[in-house]
Amino acid sequence: EVQLVQSGAEVKKPGESLRISCKGSGYSFTSYWISWVRQMPGKGLEWMGRIDPSDSYTNYSPSFQGHVTISADKSISTAYLQWSSLKASDTAMYYCARGHYGDWGYWGQGTLVTVSS
Amino acid sequence: QSALTQPASVSGSPGQSITISCTGTSSDVGSYNLVSWYQQHPGKAPKLMIYEVSKRPSGVSNRFSGSKSGNTASLTISGLQAEDEADYYCCSYAGSSTFEVFGGGTKLTVL
Repeated sequence: EVQLVQSGAEVKKPGESLRISCKGSGYSFTSYWISWVRQMPGKGLEWMGRIDPSDSYTNYSPSFQGHVTISADKSISTAYLQWSSLKASDTAMYYCARGHYGDWGYWGQGTLVTVSS
Repeated sequence: QSALTQPASVSGSPGQSITISCTGTSSDVGSYNLVSWYQQHPGKAPKLMIYEVSKRPSGVSNRFSGSKSGNTASLTISGLQAEDEADYYCCSYAGSSTFEVFGGGTKLTVL
């Protein structure tokens, strides 16, 4: 069974760093890109970027380029989304999803990130 | 402001059909047959309903269908059921600078 399991909810202060994870199982992790999608409270979905786990090549939405970093460790079938300095506006649910051009048939359960002083 | 434009809400009675539109530009919807649709129930992760404009993943009811004309894609749900009440999002590939863009979402209410 294909599964994407994300790390648990986080509560952070502005300026702190954070890395959340997404572990794939039940398939060849290097055969599918992993995308990250943000959903702010009560708002819609926003595509942030993606990574090809086979070579760690990344693409970012212009809206998120420079604000987050996407990485992967194929040896443990895990993708990451990280911030170096969080802002209150980063408070959101973050989903990872497996697939290529928008055909994300498998999603993680989501990681809620709360940034508050 | 989202890159793709969807109606904020649509509604229909059980058994009826509804269509949700997704309007983009010649740089996204109009240029690629890479439009997908997602259903999201409250507190849940999105679920893929349609990909590559009109293809249905295994397990998705054939009451859901997709199409595209020019810069506008559409999702049609026939034989509305109470369980179809959810938010629906379209998504399109938008080239090698922007990559993927979502619509703002449409809340479907089954009356």
